[in-house]
Amino acid sequence: QLQLQESGSRLVKPSQTLSLTCAVSGDSISSGAYSWHWIRQPPGKGLEWIGYIYHTGSTYNNPSLESRLTISVDRSKNQFSLKLNSVTASDTAVYYCARGGTAPTQFDYWGQGTPVTVSS
Amino acid sequence: DIQMTQSPSTLSASVGDRVTISCRASQSVSRWVAWYQQKPGKAPKLLIYRASTLESGVPSRFSGSGSGTEFTLTISSLQPDDFATYHCQQYSSDYTFGQGTKLEIK
Repeated sequence: QLQLQESGSRLVKPSQTLSLTCAVSGDSISSGAYSWHWIRQPPGKGLEWIGYIYHTGSTYNNPSLESRLTISVDRSKNQFSLKLNSVTASDTAVYYCARGGTAPTQFDYWGQGTPVTVSS
Repeated sequence: DIQMTQSPSTLSASVGDRVTISCRASQSVSRWVAWYQQKPGKAPKLLIYRASTLESGVPSRFSGSGSGTEFTLTISSLQPDDFATYHCQQYSSDYTFGQGTKLEIK
């Protein structure tokens, strides 16, 4: 059974960089033509897609976040990561990692989510 | 950006009821729509993709329909486990979600 688990800093100061990692277990991140996504949900609001990466390293990001966003993959550790710089309070959210198929795609496996607060 | 608008925002119903949740896209998304169920403090769970294909393991009381800009999720006979928030998602152009529909016990 595929499992995804987010980890990283839960409290980030304004203007600093938010860093999260998604560890994948139960299968290799390199098997199949899967895309690996980040999605977030601000408190009391809907879901917002952030971006994705393939195991090859090819990425595609939400244009609204593109300038602040880096998504990377570490095949040796079977994980992928998110870095969002110059954060503000509006970046406060629960952050999820998820698996999709070949884009465009729905998301069939999700991590449990990790809350991140941007505050001084 | 393609906007997804769900209605209603909140729906009160009883066990055994048939309920329908609607999702409207701001432009045609063909049939590239998925539906998710989310319970408090949990990740969303995929129910339906490509507008009407039931994800493996999802009960058959869930069904989806629609194409173009109008989509619906129907639960044929509500069970106690179904009270949750439901999200639609389009994946025709990037990815956007509706604001969610909270299904409450009447």
